[in-house]
Amino acid sequence: KQEVTQIPAALSVPEGENLVLNCSFTDSAIYNLQWFRQDPGKGLTSLLLIQSSQREQTSGRLNASLDKSSGRSTLYIAASQPGDSATYLCAGESNFGNEKLTFGTGTRLTIIP
Amino acid sequence: KAGVTQTPRYLIKTRGQQVTLSCSPISGHRSVSWYQQTPGQGLQFLFEYFSETQRNKGNFPGRFSGRQFSNSRSEMNVSTLELGDSALYLCASSLGDRDNSPLHFGNGTRLTVT
Repeated sequence: KQEVTQIPAALSVPEGENLVLNCSFTDSAIYNLQWFRQDPGKGLTSLLLIQSSQREQTSGRLNASLDKSSGRSTLYIAASQPGDSATYLCAGESNFGNEKLTFGTGTRLTIIP
Repeated sequence: KAGVTQTPRYLIKTRGQQVTLSCSPISGHRSVSWYQQTPGQGLQFLFEYFSETQRNKGNFPGRFSGRQFSNSRSEMNVSTLELGDSALYLCASSLGDRDNSPLHFGNGTRLTVT
């Protein structure tokens, strides 16, 4: 059964800094890994999807990487802004098993102006 | 293009009652999945539907059920509500099944059971 872990649970950084969010998963037979952000009281917004055959994906100031052999993914945010404050979740879709997506518990990010 | 629409936005029910939540996916999306989000358990997968067929089911009791209609709209039903069913229920849609298309989420239905 896939297990996804995100550490730390919360992170505060000053505006303008670059930062990295971490995601670990146990099942290397992963189909894809997705990163989402969630604002309070809202649903999830898809940020990046990395297919199992890819190593990384980029969108604007965001870059996500995937290393299946080590069971890790990272989300890099460049030049952080107060609007980046949100909870960031990673989720893995496995080739096997009965779950569509297995989510991590998230990292609550606060950008300090 | 309209996003994923979930109705109602908020619900308050009493223990023992049943509830039906609705989800309209993005036009053209055929896969709909449901998730329960609570502070203690985080986001947990409930079930997934594709072309009116349940493809996967999470580890939830039989009180939780769902269905998908021919227009891809989906409903989930919870019977004999318990206090622990209080949660944010999220629906997500994607183009197809195992096609590496990203999931698009609705804003959820906040269910409170008293």
